[in-house]
Amino acid sequence: KAGVTQTPRYLIKTRGQQVTLSCSPISGHRSVSWYQQTPGQGLQFLFEYFSETQRNKGNFPGRFSGRQFSNSRSEMNVSTLELGDSALYLCASSWTGTGTEKLFFGSGTQLSVL
Amino acid sequence: DQQVKQNSPSLSVQEGRISILNCDYTNSMFDYFLWYKKYPAEGPTFLISISSIKDKNEDGRFTVFLNKSAKHLSLHIVPSQPGDSAVYFCAASLEYGNKLVFGAGTILRVKS
Repeated sequence: KAGVTQTPRYLIKTRGQQVTLSCSPISGHRSVSWYQQTPGQGLQFLFEYFSETQRNKGNFPGRFSGRQFSNSRSEMNVSTLELGDSALYLCASSWTGTGTEKLFFGSGTQLSVL
Repeated sequence: DQQVKQNSPSLSVQEGRISILNCDYTNSMFDYFLWYKKYPAEGPTFLISISSIKDKNEDGRFTVFLNKSAKHLSLHIVPSQPGDSAVYFCAASLEYGNKLVFGAGTILRVKS
């Protein structure tokens, strides 16, 4: 069974640009969550989607957005990039996304903003 | 405001000995707790979890203890193996919520 796939693996952008990251969940999983990992901060919750609907959103500015398609694949977009957006962005999937389910993470997209 | 804290950034343990990783939380509403392990260049993988109705859960070499009155949980690894060297994240959730709140992680190094 294929795991969670995130593309691209690495991205280098400059300030002011925008970026789109992609996530393909495990087949059958309908919940997709996004997390930002930075050194010393752990994983910070960005948002969670289930059946194309955003059910929860973390404390991030509106420059961070996402969407989910009917096949459960998800994308997140960051507009007007800032240096502080440099981080590892992790996508995770699960069947229903409830708090007791274990999440399956992808390997992440390492974003560097210059 | 960090609701889940892992106060030890790193821990070094000799192979065969016990590793104890600690985690504190501030939100008394959390009712489910999980540990994830992360190797470099890989995503975190689920390790073990515990519900707030329990105070201990065991899975092979891994045991998680929960002290609700102290809002503290710990992960015990016995015996520790070099392959356990990784970053360990503690996470908390609401049973019917849909997000995890993670700690900053603890780097475990098991020396052979």
